[in-house]
Amino acid sequence: NAGVTQTPKFQVLKTGQSMTLQCAQDMNHNSMYWYRQDPGMGLRLIYYSASEGTTDKGEVPNGYNVSRLNKREFSLRLESAAPSQTSVYFCASSVDRGGNEQFFGPGTRLTVL
Amino acid sequence: QKEVEQDPGPLSVPEGAIVSLNCTYSNSAFQYFMWYRQYSRKGPELLMYTYSSGNKEDGRFTAQVDKSSKYISLFIRDSQPSDSATYLCAPKPNFGNEKLTFGTGTRLTIIP
Repeated sequence: NAGVTQTPKFQVLKTGQSMTLQCAQDMNHNSMYWYRQDPGMGLRLIYYSASEGTTDKGEVPNGYNVSRLNKREFSLRLESAAPSQTSVYFCASSVDRGGNEQFFGPGTRLTVL
Repeated sequence: QKEVEQDPGPLSVPEGAIVSLNCTYSNSAFQYFMWYRQYSRKGPELLMYTYSSGNKEDGRFTAQVDKSSKYISLFIRDSQPSDSATYLCAPKPNFGNEKLTFGTGTRLTIIP
């Protein structure tokens, strides 16, 4: 079992460029999440998907879009990257909504110049 | 005021010491209290969680919640260099709510 995998591990973008962060889990979990982690701010929820076919905004959704492609995969898209989106992005999954344990991927380190 | 406040540290203690990590929170609806551990350049992993007030022990780790003062603690006994990591508290409401509210994390270093 790979758990939660994320690609890419590192990315450098120029302001205005777009990119998609990929996330997949092989634990048959229903719920998936995208977080960003910034110094002094902790982990903040961007979007989540309680089940296949549904997505909802979290605390900091502006500038991002998501797609729950199927039960395994949940992608995060930056349409026009801004320096404020420089961060470490984590994908996570849990058995279902309300699950106390979220399993996190290794993260994607994104720098926007 | 943030919903969850956590001293960011860094905190350095000698091997074998007892470590106390703390969070305060403002939302009275929080019923489940999670502690996540995050090693450098890795994703967080669940260490343990408690429900409502009281203590829970797991090996060298003890989680304590005082809902009357909205205070969460994690104690580490006989600390080891392998405990060096960032510890994040993450409370959430009781009902089927998937959203965790993370503290900023406390960076802990155990000195051999």
